[in-house]
Amino acid sequence: NAGVMQNPRHLVRRRGQEARLRCSPMKGHSHVYWYRQLPEEGLKFMVYLQKENIIDESGMPKERFSAEFPKEGPSILRIQQVVRGDSAAYFCASSPQTQGAGNTIYFGEGSWLTVV
Amino acid sequence: RKEVEQDPGPFNVPEGATVAFNCTYSNSASQSFFWYRQDCRKEPKLLMSVYSSGNEDGRFTAQLNRASQYISLLIRDSKLSDSATYLCAVNKNNDMRFGAGTRLTVKP
Repeated sequence: NAGVMQNPRHLVRRRGQEARLRCSPMKGHSHVYWYRQLPEEGLKFMVYLQKENIIDESGMPKERFSAEFPKEGPSILRIQQVVRGDSAAYFCASSPQTQGAGNTIYFGEGSWLTVV
Repeated sequence: RKEVEQDPGPFNVPEGATVAFNCTYSNSASQSFFWYRQDCRKEPKLLMSVYSSGNEDGRFTAQLNRASQYISLLIRDSKLSDSATYLCAVNKNNDMRFGAGTRLTVKP
């Protein structure tokens, strides 16, 4: 199964620690998206990346959050100095390289972050 | 104004009912449109794309009105297994944005 792979699936961090979430896109996909879903809330866009480029980070909090998608390896969403409000499900998705109408995105199973 | 807006519901309907969800989007340059389904503590999964001419997949019918910038999803003869949250999604240049989702509960 060459679906979108996220790890870890569940992560517990104490306040002030760092959280690193990894996402490997589907084979042949070069676009990666990160979304955050707070409990009982909708899916909020965070960042859209292509290999080595951040295309749109308008949904990223200005501080403590960063994302990258290096030439080799998975995309990383990094949260520094986590606070309780960061507890959420973080979903990664990917789409093919070709742009245009009709392209949809495919989600990984999510990473559930709990800050204690 | 949010980029994509949906009625959050919840919609509680009996089995066999017909239920409709609407979604509006703010960017008139949006290129493609989709409905996703999300079960509790699971990832969203593509339900269907939405085409200008309207399209049907079994009990599900999706429609797009570009002039009014809204899309809709109609579920006929609803089943217990249709209980989930339904998310509309709007895509412009591979930049995909989602509505907050509408929760549906189908009861026996």
